[in-house]
Amino acid sequence: EVQLLESGGGLVQPGGSLRLSCAASEFTFSSYAMSWVRQTPGKGLEWVSGISRSGDSTYYADSVKGRFTISRDNSKNTLYLQMNSLRAEDTAVYYCAKDHGASSFWFDYWGQGTLVTVSS
Amino acid sequence: ERVMTQSPATLSVSPGERATLSCRASQSVSSNLAWYQQKPGQAPRLVIYGASTRATGIPARFSGSGSGTEFTLTISSLQSEDFAVYYCQQYNNWPSFGGGTKVEFK
Repeated sequence: EVQLLESGGGLVQPGGSLRLSCAASEFTFSSYAMSWVRQTPGKGLEWVSGISRSGDSTYYADSVKGRFTISRDNSKNTLYLQMNSLRAEDTAVYYCAKDHGASSFWFDYWGQGTLVTVSS
Repeated sequence: ERVMTQSPATLSVSPGERATLSCRASQSVSSNLAWYQQKPGQAPRLVIYGASTRATGIPARFSGSGSGTEFTLTISSLQSEDFAVYYCQQYNNWPSFGGGTKVEFK
């Protein structure tokens, strides 16, 4: 069974930085695009960022462009999200999601999520 | 940006009854639509993709239909494990999600 395990969430002050990780197992990680999706009680589910299988192509929602950076290490089966200049509105549960294929942008498996709280 | 609107926000259903959930796109998304189920404290789970194809392990009581801007998820005979929030998501271009429909016990 596909496993996705996020880590790195926590409490951070506005303007601060945080790096999320997602460890993948039980599938060929390098064969699939990956994304980060976040969820807040107020705004629901919001796609944040995606990355191609090789990592050569990256995609961002306008709300995080220029502040967040997605990356992956296929040798370590790990997906990352570097979050800088964090704002209160970035507070959410962040999910790592496996793309069905090559950047099709629908997601057949999700991790359990990691909570990011941006507050002073 | 394609805005996805789900209705109703809450659907009260008795076990064994049929549940019909709607999702509308602000512009055509062709058949590039998925449905997810989410239970409290859990991650979303894929139910339907391509508007009408059941995901692996999803029971036959779940069916999806529609194309363009109007979509429906039907649960033919609601079981206790089906009470959850359901989200639609378009992937015709940058992905976007609907606000969800909560299926609750009547």
